[in-house]
Amino acid sequence: DSGVTQTPKHLITATGQRVTLRCSPRSGDLSVYWYQQSLDQGLQFLIQYYNGEERAKGNILERFSAQQFPDLHSELNLSSLELGDSALYFCASRPGPPSGANVLTFGAGSRLTVL
Amino acid sequence: DQQVKQNSPSLSVQEGRISILNCDYTNSMFDYFLWYKKYPAEGPTFLISISSIKDKNEDGRFTVFLNKSAKHLSLHIVPSQPGDSAVYFCAAMGQGAQKLVFGQGTRLTINP
Repeated sequence: DSGVTQTPKHLITATGQRVTLRCSPRSGDLSVYWYQQSLDQGLQFLIQYYNGEERAKGNILERFSAQQFPDLHSELNLSSLELGDSALYFCASRPGPPSGANVLTFGAGSRLTVL
Repeated sequence: DQQVKQNSPSLSVQEGRISILNCDYTNSMFDYFLWYKKYPAEGPTFLISISSIKDKNEDGRFTVFLNKSAKHLSLHIVPSQPGDSAVYFCAAMGQGAQKLVFGQGTRLTINP
């Protein structure tokens, strides 16, 4: 158990629908990252939050949005789903300053299947 | 634009021998490099890292080598064990950057 909790583990839905993926970071970690891994691809960075504020944005579609709440958990919202959105979505967390550690700790992922 | 590349999608090695996984990067601003290991149905787990001020870092059976002039790093596993069979991802981060950039991964299979 990495300490990063993601729910749900599996999700099957239809095109056009909207889903929410949830992430609880490791205790004490202030940064939350979201990554997408499509079939046999590398991990593509989507977005990062630090202590409730957006800090970095990657190749995140406009149909996707995220937020980090005061208790530091984060949610990734995916709307108007398309078949190509089927993927593994990973959340990772990282300590904030003064640790400055560069290692991200990943959750087990949420597998989204869009039919 | 793939800034971190792992050109070998798969690698098969005999148990007990050395496994060498390679990674190339294009962004000269990267100054911290990590290797992650991923088993099926699990998230990536951190394995070993190296700062750009070093050219080698060792942790037990795992050694990472960094060649800054060639923008190349490699992970050596000696001796290879069946439990090392997994997908290995190379990742890089630039100074002051907030995100890790990952390669596509290399599937390592250790044969008995």
